[in-house]
Parts: sequence; C-alpha cells; structure tokens
Amino acid sequence: GQQLNQNPQSMFIQEGEDVSMNCTSSSIFNTWLWYKQDPGEGPVLLIALYKAGELTSNGRLTAQFGITRKDSFLNISASIPSDVGIYFCAGDSGGSQGNLIFGKGTKLSVKP
Amino acid sequence: NAGVMQNPRHLVRRRGQEARLRCSPMKGHSHVYWYRQLPEEGLKFMVYLQKENIIDESGMPKERFSAEFPKEGPSILRIQQVVRGDSAAYFCASSPRSYNSPLHFGNGTRLTVT
Repeated sequence: GQQLNQNPQSMFIQEGEDVSMNCTSSSIFNTWLWYKQDPGEGPVLLIALYKAGELTSNGRLTAQFGITRKDSFLNISASIPSDVGIYFCAGDSGGSQGNLIFGKGTKLSVKP
Repeated sequence: NAGVMQNPRHLVRRRGQEARLRCSPMKGHSHVYWYRQLPEEGLKFMVYLQKENIIDESGMPKERFSAEFPKEGPSILRIQQVVRGDSAAYFCASSPRSYNSPLHFGNGTRLTVT
C-alpha cells in the first residue's frame, strides 16, 4: 500500500534556528497536509496544499507541494520553544475523501 | 465555536468488555472520520461516515468494530470484546464537505485494555 516516509524522525535545535522536514512517497498524492500534535492532544492542521508546486505560508511556517507530487516539505523559521511537538505529513490515499495516509512524524525538540 | 468533541478522554476496559467512543463534530460539519494511533506511530484511517451512512470503512477491522453516525446525536465507535491490541488513541475528525476540506481532529480517546 501507499506509504509516506517522513524525515528526519527527530531533531534537536537551538531556539531561533530554522527547521526543515520533508515527506516523500513512491506514489503520487493530490493533496498534502501538515499537522502538529502536542502530547495528549489531537493533530492540529497547519497547512493544506492542493496543487503541485504550491508554496503556502502560515506565519513562520512554509510548506511546498512538490512538482512531482511525490513529496512535500515544511519549514519553520526562527523556532521558539512552543514549536516543540510532533509534526505529521499526510496525503490523500486516492480513496474516499478523508482517507488520509499519515507519515510517522518528525519529533521536534527545542533547546531553550 | 467549539471544536470536535470526543469523550471520554480516557477509557479503561478489561479484555472481553465493550468500548464505546463518542464524537460530536464541529458545528456545521456533516462528515466524520475515525482514526487510530498506536504509540510512536502516525494515524491510521478507520472509517468515514456521513449522517446515517457509512461511506468508507476500508480501514476498520471486519470483526468486533462498528461505527455509526445517527441523524441525531454523536458518532459512535464501538469495539466489542476488546483485546489488549485494541489499546490505542482513537481520534475523530470532521469536515464541512467532502471535497478539499481539511480534517479537524478532536483530542482523542485513549483506550487501555487490561
């Protein structure tokens, strides 16, 4: 079945640094979504991408839908302590709406 | 504007008991989705429902699991005769329409089977 490879699995960064993470797949996706999950809570939508090549920002976050439709990246600029959490990419499975494939997450830890 | 509400937040069941998880979608949302998350894993799709209809249950185990979204009231995910392997976080999400609508997730129900 379809799988999303998310990298890196975890990262430690200094406050103020920029962060980059990505998702790749051997299959084409028509939608890419980026979510953040804090401990004990549900995923919160950060950015939704619907067109190949699309570049979208949400505050300090920027995400792009790869031209090949097989990858996406998320950048966080000038990280702050509240950026700590697990970031998930998700893509539509090609099945019914809402049937998303999730990556395993990138765990972000920030050193104050 | 309340988000997706799930209850209970934590549920403990002994093996063989039944677990009922409830989800109230965001106001104005008529599409509900259930996902399961194991520790250190991403979310896995289980089922997609609209009011009184199951649209896609391709991710739901064929036995012991069922879901409904009645005309009135919350969506229910029901697990009969629970086993230890059912221990996980179960998340509900909702959307206002079926196309290009990002999913908004609740805070989940953490099921522990002892």
